[in-house]
Amino acid sequence: EDQVTQSPEALRLQEGESSSLNCSYTVSGLRGLFWYRQDPGKGPEFLFTLYSAGEEKEKERLKATLTKKESFLHITAPKPEDSATYLCAVQARSGGYNKLIFGAGTRLAVHP
Amino acid sequence: GAGVSQSPSNKVTEKGKDVELRCDPISGHTALYWYRQSLGQGLEFLIYFQGNSAPDKSGLPSDRFSAERTGGSVSTLTIQRTQQEDSAVYLCASSLNWDNGYTFGSGTRLTVV
Repeated sequence: EDQVTQSPEALRLQEGESSSLNCSYTVSGLRGLFWYRQDPGKGPEFLFTLYSAGEEKEKERLKATLTKKESFLHITAPKPEDSATYLCAVQARSGGYNKLIFGAGTRLAVHP
Repeated sequence: GAGVSQSPSNKVTEKGKDVELRCDPISGHTALYWYRQSLGQGLEFLIYFQGNSAPDKSGLPSDRFSAERTGGSVSTLTIQRTQQEDSAVYLCASSLNWDNGYTFGSGTRLTVV
């Protein structure tokens, strides 16, 4: 069964304190791994898609990396506005189309 | 429109009543998805539309749940005889290409009392 596990469930950082969020996955043929950001009361906002092991993508203070079993979202020198829930999702080849399977997310709080 | 629009944004209903949730996807997006997000839980897939057809309804929790899409655009998710366990945020998303990621709406928060 395709599965996505994110850790930690919650993370508290001081402004400027870099850290990483983890997304472990079990999937029968990965088509893509997606990262989303979700603010309270809003829908998830697309951040990145990664397709193959070794791939990296960056956006401002965020960098996503991918291995054959997991993905990391690295946050460098975070600011309070980076506080949100970060969701990881995978799309499997067995799905045949576009269904994404989501993890439960990591709630990030960045304090001044 | 510029984004995915969902209505209503909040809905409180009595147990046993029927509810309809509406989704207006981004114009031109042929794929449309419904997900459910319960408190502290991940997003749970409900149904996928390609055009007006639904090739995958496997996530609908029971036969009280149904959805349709007309004109390749607007979609309606209907929940009949609502139960308290149906309380959640119902999210709609659309996409043009699978690897662009979905664009989500802000969701409908459903509370069954």
